[in-house]
Amino acid sequence: DIQMTQSPSSLSASVGDRVTITCRASQSISSYLNWYQQKPGKAPKLLIYAASSLQSGVPSRFSGSGSGTDFTLTISSLQPEDFATYYCQQSYSTPPEITFGQGTRLEIK
Amino acid sequence: QVQLQESGPGLVKPSQTLSLTCTVSGGSISSGSYYWSWIRQPAGKGLEWIGHIHTSGSTNYNPSLKSRVTISVDTSKNQFSLKLSSVTAADMAVYYCARGNRYGVGATRGAFDIWGQGTMVTVSS
Repeated sequence: DIQMTQSPSSLSASVGDRVTITCRASQSISSYLNWYQQKPGKAPKLLIYAASSLQSGVPSRFSGSGSGTDFTLTISSLQPEDFATYYCQQSYSTPPEITFGQGTRLEIK
Repeated sequence: QVQLQESGPGLVKPSQTLSLTCTVSGGSISSGSYYWSWIRQPAGKGLEWIGHIHTSGSTNYNPSLKSRVTISVDTSKNQFSLKLSSVTAADMAVYYCARGNRYGVGATRGAFDIWGQGTMVTVSS
């Protein structure tokens, strides 16, 4: 199976900061990488799909990049509502064997 | 718009079978090309994909759970279901149903674009 490793595991930042979260796959997954945001007690929400495409309704301060094994999620200017846990997820495997990263908790500094 | 809602017992005894249902509203479960999925999250931990059933009826399961999992669909009720047998404390988690949607026309991969609110399942005698 394909292992997804996120870094850092946790991150403290301030409102207005630019933040980058990294996700590394154990093998090449092309651009089949998605990012989700999860707030406490809530279901995950799709932010970015296919590595760099912004899901409808998601603010443009969120962006994604990368291909192959290394990917990043960037929040250009943190807003109070962005403090949450972020997960990457690969959809490359065939037959499907979907795996998620372990999550990155973004906290208020 | 399409919404998903999980339902089922919140408490299951060890060695018994966990059964959950996801009701799809706002659209037909049998239209389009979607992967109706189950994902779980133990308390304080990350997300684990359990498996899915495609609109065509084909299924795929997480190899680590495959021997214990069955996902099925009831188009008459616009629902899909999860059965997980021989549960242990390790199966305690919030269980989410989700819709897997392809990236676009002709795409062979996708993302989970709609999620249910989740339902907590406790395993205890």
